[in-house]
Amino acid sequence: DAGVTQSPTHLIKTRGQQVTLRCSPKSGHDTVSWYQQALGQGPQFIFQYYEEEERQRGNFPDRFSGHQFPNYSSELNVNALLLGDSALYLCASSLTAGNQPQHFGDGTRLSIL
Amino acid sequence: KQEVTQIPAALSVPEGENLVLNCSFTDSAIYNLQWFRQDPGKGLTSLLLIQSSQREQTSGRLNASLDKSSGRSTLYIAASQPGDSATYLCAVRRDFHNFNKFYFGSGTKLNVKP
Repeated sequence: DAGVTQSPTHLIKTRGQQVTLRCSPKSGHDTVSWYQQALGQGPQFIFQYYEEEERQRGNFPDRFSGHQFPNYSSELNVNALLLGDSALYLCASSLTAGNQPQHFGDGTRLSIL
Repeated sequence: KQEVTQIPAALSVPEGENLVLNCSFTDSAIYNLQWFRQDPGKGLTSLLLIQSSQREQTSGRLNASLDKSSGRSTLYIAASQPGDSATYLCAVRRDFHNFNKFYFGSGTKLNVKP
């Protein structure tokens, strides 16, 4: 049973560019959340998708957008990249039921030059 | 706004020691609390999940407690091993209607010396 998978594992971009990160949830999971983790910090919630709609959003600008597909996989898009967007981007999946734990992928390490 | 704090930020202990990691949160209206382990450059591995109605959860050498009224949780690791070296993060979930929005602490970096 595959867990949460993310691609790519590493990515290098320059300021002003756009990037798309991808996530496949754990089998059977229907909810996907995205987090940004700066070096030495805990993950910060970006947004969450359920039934192909954004359900919750953290304190991130509109440059951060996402999508969820009918098969529950998800994409995170970041436009007009800034140096401060350099971080580990984590995807977590779970069942909608409130008492279920989140399962995380290994993340995408994004470096902005 | 929910604030989650973990103390200490780093901890170094000799192998075999029992240890306690602390997590505190400012808003006691949580749905549940989850402890994670993160190895360098990796994602998060779930260790224990405590529902707001529970006082503790145990898994092997790990025991997590929750005192919602005081806004505290502890992770107890018995007989620590070098393989336990990692960063430990706690995360609180605000309430069910927030789905899976978790608020994370900055973690405690644990080093267990052989």
